[in-house]
Amino acid sequence: DADVTQTPRNRITKTGKRIMLECSQTKGHDRMYWYRQDPGLGLRLIYYSFDVKDINKGEISDGYSVSRQAQAKFSLSLESAIPNQTALYFCATSTMGDLNNEQFFGPGTRLTVL
Amino acid sequence: GENVEQHPSTLSVQEGDSAVIKCTYSDSASNYFPWYKQELGKRPQLIIDIRSNVGEKKDQRIAVTLNKTAKHFSLHITETQPEDSAVYFCAASNQFYFGTGTSLTVIP
Repeated sequence: DADVTQTPRNRITKTGKRIMLECSQTKGHDRMYWYRQDPGLGLRLIYYSFDVKDINKGEISDGYSVSRQAQAKFSLSLESAIPNQTALYFCATSTMGDLNNEQFFGPGTRLTVL
Repeated sequence: GENVEQHPSTLSVQEGDSAVIKCTYSDSASNYFPWYKQELGKRPQLIIDIRSNVGEKKDQRIAVTLNKTAKHFSLHITETQPEDSAVYFCAASNQFYFGTGTSLTVIP
């Protein structure tokens, strides 16, 4: 089945370290997104990409960067991790079109910054 | 940008009763309103969505209503079952903005 995958699934790191979270999809979707989930705050958009040459900041992009290496791959980097970046991170994909469409989420990466 | 508010944050109902979750949005240009269900330890998954050209949509025990004038939309779950227990999220405006979630518990 076509799917969205994320690696790693869990990561514990220390303050100041550089971390990369990776997302791959076999759905053939053009649009990809990175969200973080915190208790009581829901899902907040970090970055999104509508195609390989298109990168856009979301609501909470400070402290993060992304790379769209191919249609199927979208990576999120924390250049210098800090404890308040401890969260559950989700990648998502959707098809392109005039109207908005369903987003398909990956399984999530649980990141802990000590 | 858009502002999506979701209420209540927690909801407990007896099995068989109905559950209603409400969301409001601020951007009148928003035209797509999905609802996602996230079971414990799982990824969010779409359960129903509605576009701004309709006022109501049903799929078996779940329904969504939209009031564009008042800028609010609601999720209705009838005949609740224990497997409905999860966190539910609404979203609006290109799905860039999600509500803060409602934790629904269905008591057997």
